[in-house]
Amino acid sequence: DQQVKQNSPSLSVQEGRISILNCDYTNSMFDYFLWYKKYPAEGPTFLISISSIKDKNEDGRFTVFLNKSAKHLSLHIVPSQPGDSAVYFCAARGSFNDYKLSFGAGTTVTVRA
Amino acid sequence: DTAVSQTPKYLVTQMGNDKSIKCEQNLGHDTMYWYKQDSKKFLKIMFSYNNKELIINETVPNRFSPKSPDKAHLNLHINSLELGDSAVYFCASSPQAANTEAFFGQGTRLTVV
Repeated sequence: DQQVKQNSPSLSVQEGRISILNCDYTNSMFDYFLWYKKYPAEGPTFLISISSIKDKNEDGRFTVFLNKSAKHLSLHIVPSQPGDSAVYFCAARGSFNDYKLSFGAGTTVTVRA
Repeated sequence: DTAVSQTPKYLVTQMGNDKSIKCEQNLGHDTMYWYKQDSKKFLKIMFSYNNKELIINETVPNRFSPKSPDKAHLNLHINSLELGDSAVYFCASSPQAANTEAFFGQGTRLTVV
């Protein structure tokens, strides 16, 4: 019963172009969303997050958009760089002491030179 | 100066054996976690400790037992290993239980043969 879904297992994009990663969730109690980035043989590292009271959060080349009514969020990377090649995990957390993070299966991004 | 370190990085063992994975964080965080990444690449939380107190205990076999001797350490002991336990296990920590921007270790790849 996966509550966070990343339906695209992989994405290939040319350097300098935009990467758009999508994530859908089913639990309407989720109120905080995160993106993690993972390189091979390393642990995930926190990238960017967004609270449900916002619909957009930007940090440098990374922007996360949240559409609560559609239970959908996306991560935009502009411009994409070769160092962005990694697996990106979407995660969500509920409210009221629900500390658990539910993760998606990840999207592997390959940035072509 | 690794923030969250796990040992060993690789572990190959036979079915029926008992093994432990150790985790230490030097970030001064109050909360530590164990996650399991299965063959489908989903990251699923197993346990969480806050100041040495167990706060999350997901539905995992009781062959898995976490132990937190102090808030900087969270070890995972697994009894009677089974083939299905083969996975990558990640330790993580966060400043507080409600802070989900967790820092992850590099993972321990456990292979049961």
